[in-house]
Amino acid sequence: AQSVTQPDIHITVSEGASLELRCNYSYGATPYLFWYVQSPGQGLQLLLKYFSGDTLVQGIKGFEAEFKRSQSSFNLRKPSVHWSDAAEYFCAVGAEAAGNKLTFGGGTRVLVKP
Amino acid sequence: KAGVTQTPRYLIKTRGQQVTLSCSPISGHRSVSWYQQTPGQGLQFLFEYFSETQRNKGNFPGRFSGRQFSNSRSEMNVSTLELGDSALYLCASSRTTAPQETQYFGPGTRLLVL
Repeated sequence: AQSVTQPDIHITVSEGASLELRCNYSYGATPYLFWYVQSPGQGLQLLLKYFSGDTLVQGIKGFEAEFKRSQSSFNLRKPSVHWSDAAEYFCAVGAEAAGNKLTFGGGTRVLVKP
Repeated sequence: KAGVTQTPRYLIKTRGQQVTLSCSPISGHRSVSWYQQTPGQGLQFLFEYFSETQRNKGNFPGRFSGRQFSNSRSEMNVSTLELGDSALYLCASSRTTAPQETQYFGPGTRLLVL
């Protein structure tokens, strides 16, 4: 069975600083990996996804993530954070045999200081 | 193109009652998945429907059920409500059941059980 761990529950970052959110997954085969963002009172919005190929994936809003099979990680990064990036971020894993079922990590809440 | 819509947005019920939540997917999308989001358990997969058939089911009791209509709209039902059923219920739609397809989430229905 798949599982996802996001070790950081909260992260506070200054506006303009870089951001890195950690995600570790457990899955025997090649995983399908996703990062979603949830703003207060909103649903989830897909930032980026990885299935195969280039291990550095570019997403929307200036985010990127790197798949590292040896570390079972899929960390999300942004070089310069904007106040509007304050939200909760979720890493998720899917599998070929599981259809659209996603297993989510616990989420990381990002606070942006002015 | 209109996004995923969920109705109602907010709901208050009492223990023992039942509730029905509705999800209208993006036009042309035939897969609808449901998730429960709580502070304690995070985001958990409930079930997925495609072409009116349940394709996948999460680890929830039989009190949780769903269905999908020929126009791809989906409903989920929770019978004999318990306090622990208080949660944000999210639905997501995609064109197919392939995990590579982007899933688009609705804003959710917030259910409070008193």
